[in-house]
Amino acid sequence: QSALTQPASVSGSPGQSITISCTGTRSDIGSYNHVSWYQQHPGKVPKVMIHDVNNRPSGVSDRFSGSKSGNTASLTISGLQAEDEADYYCISYTSSSTWIFGGGTKLTVL
Amino acid sequence: EVQLVESGGGLVQPGGSLRLSCAASGFTFSSYYMTWVRQAPGKGLEWVGNINQDGYRKHYVDSVKGRFTFSRDNAESSLYLQMNSLRAEDTAVYYCARFQFTGDVCYIDFWGQGTLVAVSS
Repeated sequence: QSALTQPASVSGSPGQSITISCTGTRSDIGSYNHVSWYQQHPGKVPKVMIHDVNNRPSGVSDRFSGSKSGNTASLTISGLQAEDEADYYCISYTSSSTWIFGGGTKLTVL
Repeated sequence: EVQLVESGGGLVQPGGSLRLSCAASGFTFSSYYMTWVRQAPGKGLEWVGNINQDGYRKHYVDSVKGRFTFSRDNAESSLYLQMNSLRAEDTAVYYCARFQFTGDVCYIDFWGQGTLVAVSS
C-alpha cells in the first residue's frame, strides 16, 4: 500500500496559519477516524500533536487543530511560531488492520 | 515516568539476522498494544507492525512479512523484533512505541529513542 499523500513542504510567516493535507483512500482515512499527526524536529523522536482526527493531547498548544473531510485529513497550525518548524507526519488506520504513514511535510517558518 | 529503551541495533550483512529488544518501564506493559516504526536515513516514518497485549495478534507491513517477527515477554516488560533475511532497504532507525488502543482512541502516544540498524556488506 502506498503512503498517504502529503505535500513535501509548506511555509508560512510567524503569526500566520498554515494547513497540511493528508490524502488517503476509502480504505483508510475515508473509513476511519483514527488519524493522527506527529511533529518531528531534526534528530528528535516524533511527538503526537493530534490524535483521532481532532483530539489534542494535554500539553499540546491549542494552536494545533485537526479535521477530516472524505479521504483527506488536515492539520492546521495557527499563529505560527519559529519552534513549529519541523517535519509533520500523518498516520491512519486501514481496512487491513494495518497503519500507514504519510510521506511527511517539511514546515518552514519564514 | 514512561520509558522505552531499544537495544540490539548494529551493522549486519545482507541476508543476515538481528534481534532488537525494547525494555519498557513506568507503565503496565501487559495492558498495551506495542508497535515498531522505522525511519530510513533522511526519509519518512514507516509503520512496521503491531503486537497486541497478549502477543497473539500481530500485524506487519507487507515489506517485512515472512522476514520479521514480533514477540513480547510481559513478565519482563520487554518487546522484541526478530529480523531475518535483512536487506539494504531495511536500514533505518527502529523505534519501539506504545499504542493507545482503547475504543475510540487509537494512536502512538510514547516513543523510544530508537536504535539504528544498518544493512551493508
